[in-house]
Amino acid sequence: AQSVTQPDIHITVSEGASLELRCNYSYGATPYLFWYVQSPGQGLQLLLKYFSGDTLVQGIKGFEAEFKRSQSSFNLRKPSVHWSDAAEYFCAVALDTGRRALTFGSGTRLQVQP
Amino acid sequence: DAGVIQSPRHEVTEMGQEVTLRCKPISGHDYLFWYRQTMMRGLELLIYFNNNVPIDDSGMPEDRFSAKMPNASFSTLKIQPSEPRDSAVYFCASRGEGPKTQYFGPGTRLLVL
Repeated sequence: AQSVTQPDIHITVSEGASLELRCNYSYGATPYLFWYVQSPGQGLQLLLKYFSGDTLVQGIKGFEAEFKRSQSSFNLRKPSVHWSDAAEYFCAVALDTGRRALTFGSGTRLQVQP
Repeated sequence: DAGVIQSPRHEVTEMGQEVTLRCKPISGHDYLFWYRQTMMRGLELLIYFNNNVPIDDSGMPEDRFSAKMPNASFSTLKIQPSEPRDSAVYFCASRGEGPKTQYFGPGTRLLVL
């Protein structure tokens, strides 16, 4: 069955430290990959996406993600975390044919310590 | 562009009442999606439309839920009768035929007492 796994439910980092959030997917083919961020009580904002081409993609707010086909992973990174990055982060995948809806991971809640 | 618009933003109702959630997608987008977010189940698809036609409603929980898209600029999600377990945040999202990115509305926070 198709699935998206975010193994870390909750991560705490210090402000200024680097961050990596993990995402693995299980699909028959390479899907389209997304990272969304949700601040408390807010909607979902797109951070970045991967469709094809360069496997390292840049997004908003200084985030980047790397697609690794061999590992079926699309991990999100940021070299220096800011207190305002505290939020919940969702990895999601979609297909270009058939079911077009997003399948989401369970999310990773990021807490930033001063 | 105003983005995806949802109303109401918050809804508190009593069990057994009818609830109607509304969504206006981004102009020109061909796909419209309804998702539900709960603590227990996370974000899950309820139904999506392409060119106003329902394509996949496999996520609709039961007959109490119904969704319509009478035109390209408006969709409703109705729950009748509502139950406490329907309490959740309901998101609407839209995307174009070419671009694959879905853009989300701010959500409707529903509480059924």
